[in-house]
Amino acid sequence: QQQVKQSPQSLIVQKGGISIINCAYENTAFDYFPWYQQFPGKGPALLIAIRPDVSEKKEGRFTISFNKSAKQFSLHIMDSQPGDSATYFCAASMGTGRRALTFGSGTRLQVQP
Amino acid sequence: ETGVTQSPTHLIKTRGQQVTLRCSSQSGHNTVSWYQQALGQGPQFIFQYYREEENGRGNFPPRFSGLQFPNYSSELNVNALELDDSALYLCASSPQTSGNDEQFFGPGTRLTVL
Repeated sequence: QQQVKQSPQSLIVQKGGISIINCAYENTAFDYFPWYQQFPGKGPALLIAIRPDVSEKKEGRFTISFNKSAKQFSLHIMDSQPGDSATYFCAASMGTGRRALTFGSGTRLQVQP
Repeated sequence: ETGVTQSPTHLIKTRGQQVTLRCSSQSGHNTVSWYQQALGQGPQFIFQYYREEENGRGNFPPRFSGLQFPNYSSELNVNALELDDSALYLCASSPQTSGNDEQFFGPGTRLTVL
């Protein structure tokens, strides 16, 4: 019930291309869906987050698409750059107040110059 | 504004030993959460502290324990270390604003158990 499934495990994209990472969840009580970026040897950094009352959120080159009926959400990175090469994690949380994050297994993105 | 800091950066321990990891939350943040990240996996929630009280716990045994201090800094203690405890331990802090779900992570402590 708490699981968040993430795909693909790894992704190679050419510079300037679009990177797409998908996540699916089971628990309909989840109501906050962030994406984190992690570089080797560093902690995860919050990229962008969405709540289920909207279907899309865009911040710069990063867009989250959310499909509540399918219980799926995705991260799109437009105009991918070599500096975007990192591991990306989707996550979800639920409830009121301060909440625990349930993370996906991660996607290792490599953007080739 | 100082971000989340953790110490030490790296630590090597022997099976059966005890370890204490430390975290200083970001200024203005009163909630601290701890996560365990095994190699190649996503972080897993250990527990959370709010106003010096445990405010939720993941699926970790009691030998994982914690503390939060009046200045909102926190410690993670692990007793009777096992080989599988080898991981990156992450601390995340959250703002005081009610309804703000953002969690900001520190760089982590890499624990190796031999």
